Amino acid sequence: EAQVTQNPRYLITVTGKKLTVTCSQNMNHEYMSWYRQDPGLGLRQIYYSMNVEVTDKGDVPEGYKVSRKEKRNFPLILESPSPNQTSLYFCASSTSAGLGILAQYFGPGTRLTVL
Amino acid sequence: AQSVTQLDSQVPVFEEAPVELRCNYSSSVSVYLFWYVQYPNQGLQLLLKYLSGSTLVKGINGFEAEFNKSQTSFHLRKPSVHISDTAEYFCAVGASGGSYIPTFGRGTSLIVHP
Repeated sequence: EAQVTQNPRYLITVTGKKLTVTCSQNMNHEYMSWYRQDPGLGLRQIYYSMNVEVTDKGDVPEGYKVSRKEKRNFPLILESPSPNQTSLYFCASSTSAGLGILAQYFGPGTRLTVL
Repeated sequence: AQSVTQLDSQVPVFEEAPVELRCNYSSSVSVYLFWYVQYPNQGLQLLLKYLSGSTLVKGINGFEAEFNKSQTSFHLRKPSVHISDTAEYFCAVGASGGSYIPTFGRGTSLIVHP
């Protein structure tokens, strides 16, 4: 089954404690991205990756890091989480550059709470 | 750069009534338009898309949308909603000539009452 998986689905942590949210897709997609969803703000893109070892900032990259060492994985790293990073996070993937980017497959989401 | 506006943050409607969720966009180049649906506690899934051709686009679950270039709109419609259509709906726009990376609207919460 074609899918995007994220782990963990729920996470409560404390300020400053480094964490990683994993994302994996089994569709051989080149493009992957991370979004955060906040009430009233919709989806905002954090980082995206056009292919292995190619990443770029989205609209709200501050406080986040990503890496793309393998095609299927795109982890989101919070080196020193702060309460304003409490949010619902989604990973998404799609086929290669061009129009394919536009129709994305989304993971189930990770609800992060930073105390 | 493109932008998208969803004019209603919440739309309440009774079951079996018709519904329209509004979406307007802004772009200086040709656009591609999408509607995604997010059911409670789930990720987003693609409902329908307009890339080119016929301006009336049909999607899953009986939804359709019409691309109106002169009014820069892409409103989503369904003639008769069900309780199970209760969800968050996102309009998204991608523009040609660049990376095509889409911009999402803030979402419209459709609440279907029995």
